[in-house]
Amino acid sequence: DTGVSQNPRHKITKRGQNVTFRCDPISEHNRLYWYRQTLGQGPEFLTYFQNEAQLEKSRLLSDRFSAERPKGSFSTLEIQRTEQGDSAMYLCASSLAGQGAIGYTFGSGTRLTVV
Amino acid sequence: GNSVTQMEGPVTLSEEAFLTINCTYTATGYPSLFWYVQYPGEGLQLLLKATKADDKGSNKGFEATYRKETTSFHLEKGSVQVSDSAVYFCALAGTYKYIFGTGTRLKVLA
Repeated sequence: DTGVSQNPRHKITKRGQNVTFRCDPISEHNRLYWYRQTLGQGPEFLTYFQNEAQLEKSRLLSDRFSAERPKGSFSTLEIQRTEQGDSAMYLCASSLAGQGAIGYTFGSGTRLTVV
Repeated sequence: GNSVTQMEGPVTLSEEAFLTINCTYTATGYPSLFWYVQYPGEGLQLLLKATKADDKGSNKGFEATYRKETTSFHLEKGSVQVSDSAVYFCALAGTYKYIFGTGTRLKVLA
């Protein structure tokens, strides 16, 4: 297994454009998580899925953000009408449900720059 | 709510110096505690963890002890190397999600 894979690694977009990131978790992991890390801060929880069900969404996830995991495998995070404040590293992680946070594996992240 | 506070950086040390990065937490219940490391341009790597009071996590010469009485989980290493230069995050977790501190940047000079 190659671990948690995130694409693209870097994305530069103009303000107002839509962007989509992809996360491929470890194949046997049924939970998938998204976090956001702004410059100089620690990662903050955005949302998580168990299989294809989105079980929790943070208040940080505004209406412009949508996450999906249609077949319980890979996930996408879309940001509509990007703003400069969306510039951050977006981290994905996966785990098995029974292991909780101890079983997390993080991906390398997608760094978004909104200009 | 739950929170993690860690010392601000940057921390600059000479090679072979002793390292301490302080971390304290506020939590209801009994969370697990973690230290993660982030090298430039990379994602998070788990450094060590402790799941209950008095547990000591250790890895690659780093250690931290879960102190319930002082709500602390300080990171220590006896002799740092240049390759340890990175940002270190203290974190707590309940059943499925993390709360991270703001990170402490460590710079080790040769």
